[in-house]
Amino acid sequence: GDSVTQMEGPVTLSEEAFLTINCTYTATGYPSLFWYVQYPGEGLQLLLKATKADDKGSNKGFEATYRKETTSFHLEKGSVQVSDSAVYFCALSDNNAGNMLTFGGGTRLMVKP
Amino acid sequence: DTAVSQTPKYLVTQMGNDKSIKCEQNLGHDTMYWYKQDSKKFLKIMFSYNNKELIINETVPNRFSPKSPDKAHLNLHINSLELGDSAVYFCASSPHSGRSGEQYFGPGTRLTVT
Repeated sequence: GDSVTQMEGPVTLSEEAFLTINCTYTATGYPSLFWYVQYPGEGLQLLLKATKADDKGSNKGFEATYRKETTSFHLEKGSVQVSDSAVYFCALSDNNAGNMLTFGGGTRLMVKP
Repeated sequence: DTAVSQTPKYLVTQMGNDKSIKCEQNLGHDTMYWYKQDSKKFLKIMFSYNNKELIINETVPNRFSPKSPDKAHLNLHINSLELGDSAVYFCASSPHSGRSGEQYFGPGTRLTVT
């Protein structure tokens, strides 16, 4: 079955540091890939997505590139802010009934001033 | 206006009780979902409901039953609550039943079973 693996947290960085959160996946076919973010006490929000190989998703300074050859979709940001502190989820959607998402375990990011 | 809303936000109840969580979306989406998030933040799909078609996740106990009175609502009823049901439950919706995968989440309902 489909699965998503992402690095365990927490990831603790100082403000303006470079961020990488690794994500790899296993899926049949050609899934779409996503990063969702969950701020404290809130539901998940879509951060960015990529629907085919070599696509780059970007939003709010975050980027991730769909790498079919390495089955990866790593999240990066050049300069994090305290307000980026949240839990980040990598996810995939296969061409299945119901459009269900398979999530990774989440990575907590803590950014210190 | 809130796109996906859930009630209640917090729910504390005793083992063996029956409870419901309500979800409403005003986005005109065709598909709605229920997810369970455990204490370690692991998020797992429970159900997907596309128009009148319910897709049941086979790992979900039959004590959990989704009910959809119309396209904008998907409620979750839980019978005979157990300690292990304690979690945050998220409702979500999406505009497509295809591959877009983009889902809009509600704020969550924190269920505590004592």
